[in-house]
Amino acid sequence: KNQVEQSPQSLIILEGKNCTLQCNYTVSPFSNLRWYKQDTGRGPVSLTIMTFSENTKSNGRYTATLDADTKQSSLHITASQLSDSASYICVVRKAAGNKLTFGGGTRVLVKP
Amino acid sequence: GAGVSQSPSNKVTEKGKDVELRCDPISGHTALYWYRQSLGQGLEFLIYFQGNSAPDKSGLPSDRFSAERTGGSVSTLTIQRTQQEDSAVYLCASSLDREVIDGYTFGSGTRLTVV
Repeated sequence: KNQVEQSPQSLIILEGKNCTLQCNYTVSPFSNLRWYKQDTGRGPVSLTIMTFSENTKSNGRYTATLDADTKQSSLHITASQLSDSASYICVVRKAAGNKLTFGGGTRVLVKP
Repeated sequence: GAGVSQSPSNKVTEKGKDVELRCDPISGHTALYWYRQSLGQGLEFLIYFQGNSAPDKSGLPSDRFSAERTGGSVSTLTIQRTQQEDSAVYLCASSLDREVIDGYTFGSGTRLTVV
């Protein structure tokens, strides 16, 4: 079982609507959690990074939340645009060592 | 350079041939990672370099896969006797490798197709 689980696997939303992606992890000890956006054919690009003590972090229309007690994070996309169509990947860094664990990603398709 | 550079961007090779993929990390980044992304799948960790040494090779799928890094900079991932299941996008990332928060910057990847 993957230590970082994302849901849903895929999502179709209409342009202008909001959506929320989920990331649950069991990686321990926890150092930080990043959300990446990966456009088709490109490498992942970091959207937000959160440490143990941070609950919310925003980057434009992207807002990430973190509950370190329940080991859950979410990424909320507000007023979606066609350019938001991409895969969104949750990555958790273990505090001991430099190991990153990737979730399987959520593929988002925004339709006009 | 300004970002992580990978070459080639695309590679088509015949089954059984050897291939070399190259990663040029951001200047000064001591940590370098190789990942593999198969079609429709998540990112799969292959190997991690700290300087020229590889403290974590746990993700290399078989002994056909090897990687090296020289001068604490450029890294090459070599796949010997390629198989069709090796077809994937191979991504490289680098970071300053500090305990404090820092960015992992990814290259655009090498799309490998084994025919």
